[in-house]
Amino acid sequence: AQSVTQLDSQVPVFEEAPVELRCNYSSSVSVYLFWYVQYPNQGLQLLLKYLSGSTLVKGINGFEAEFNKSQTSFHLRKPSVHISDTAEYFCAVSSGSNYQLIWGAGTKLIIKP
Amino acid sequence: DAGVTQSPTHLIKTRGQQVTLRCSPISGHKSVSWYQQVLGQGPQFIFQYYEKEERGRGNFPDRFSARQFPNYSSELNVNALLLGDSALYLCASSSGPMNTEAFFGQGTRLTVV
Repeated sequence: AQSVTQLDSQVPVFEEAPVELRCNYSSSVSVYLFWYVQYPNQGLQLLLKYLSGSTLVKGINGFEAEFNKSQTSFHLRKPSVHISDTAEYFCAVSSGSNYQLIWGAGTKLIIKP
Repeated sequence: DAGVTQSPTHLIKTRGQQVTLRCSPISGHKSVSWYQQVLGQGPQFIFQYYEKEERGRGNFPDRFSARQFPNYSSELNVNALLLGDSALYLCASSSGPMNTEAFFGQGTRLTVV
């Protein structure tokens, strides 16, 4: 069965500093990988996705993620965060044979002024 | 263009009651999925419908049911509500059956008292 682990429940970081949010998955088949962002009291917005091809994926709001098959990871990065990036970030995985998205528990990104 | 719309946005029900949540997908999207997000956790898959047929069901009791209409809108029904059903219920739509890109609505916040 597939599973997703987000290693940090909260990540505090100073404004304009770089950030990495970690995501590891377990799956025995090829997967699609996603990062979504959830602002308070809102739904989920897609940041970026990996379906195939280049392992470095660029998304919205200056975020990027790298698919590492050997380490089964899909970590999210941003070189310089802004106060508006304060939100919860979810990593999710699905496979070609599975219609559902499997989600991590989320990482709260806390921006310190 | 309108995104995924869900109604109502908030709902308070009493234990034992029944509730119906509604979702309208993005125009042209034929797939609708439902997720339950309990506070502090990632979403959990409930159902997926594609072309009005159930394509996937998560690990939820039979008190949960759903359907998709000819216009691709969808309803999620929950019978005999329990306190533990209190959650944010999210609807996602996508153009095809596979989860290569899901667009989420704002969710319905259900509180069971």
